[in-house]
Amino acid sequence: EAGVAQSPRYKIIEKRQSVAFWCNPISGHATLYWYQQILGQGPKLLIQFQNNGVVDDSQLPKDRFSAERLKGVDSTLKIQPAKLEDSAVYLCASSKTENQPQHFGDGTRLSIL
Amino acid sequence: DAKTTQPPSMDCAEGRAANLPCNHSTISGNEYVYWYRQIHSQGPQYIIHGLKNNETNEMASLIITEDRKSSTLILPHATLRDTAVYYCIVRADYGGATNKLIFGTGTLLAVQP
Repeated sequence: EAGVAQSPRYKIIEKRQSVAFWCNPISGHATLYWYQQILGQGPKLLIQFQNNGVVDDSQLPKDRFSAERLKGVDSTLKIQPAKLEDSAVYLCASSKTENQPQHFGDGTRLSIL
Repeated sequence: DAKTTQPPSMDCAEGRAANLPCNHSTISGNEYVYWYRQIHSQGPQYIIHGLKNNETNEMASLIITEDRKSSTLILPHATLRDTAVYYCIVRADYGGATNKLIFGTGTLLAVQP
């Protein structure tokens, strides 16, 4: 089966600009996650969707980050405006249900100048 | 905060078994032990999980002590491609925001030729 697809693979922007990341989960997976991984640290959950509803967005900086999964399939994560501390790898993961193992994409590496 | 303790790094000779320890002394009765690994520039990869019985799959074996306060991930014949950061995570398997994966900094396993 095809894995989790993410694009772009790399993105370089200047601070205060906006950026968007796209994720297409494994077919049939109801649960979708966005993680942020800062260099040298483990991934940190930003938001979790169950179909097109938000289950957990407690760690999402809502003043600048937003995410949507309108049709319950693919998802977009946006940052506006970007700050220097947002430099990280943004990982998308999906699972069949909340209780199944998560499968990760290879992420988008974001660099803020 | 992560609820597990792992050594920051380990070495293993190619072809030998790699035994990665994890301490989870505060684990609750409904929490599973999950192992993921992350190869450089890739997303985390699910390896195995268990509750209290030992588990084995095509990738690895998971040995959980009887008191469930620690576990060991065993890669029976390590290859250079097993060089990665290995994460041990405890997670409750029921629905809702409280069953998210919380990654620590993991163990960097370096397989030596």
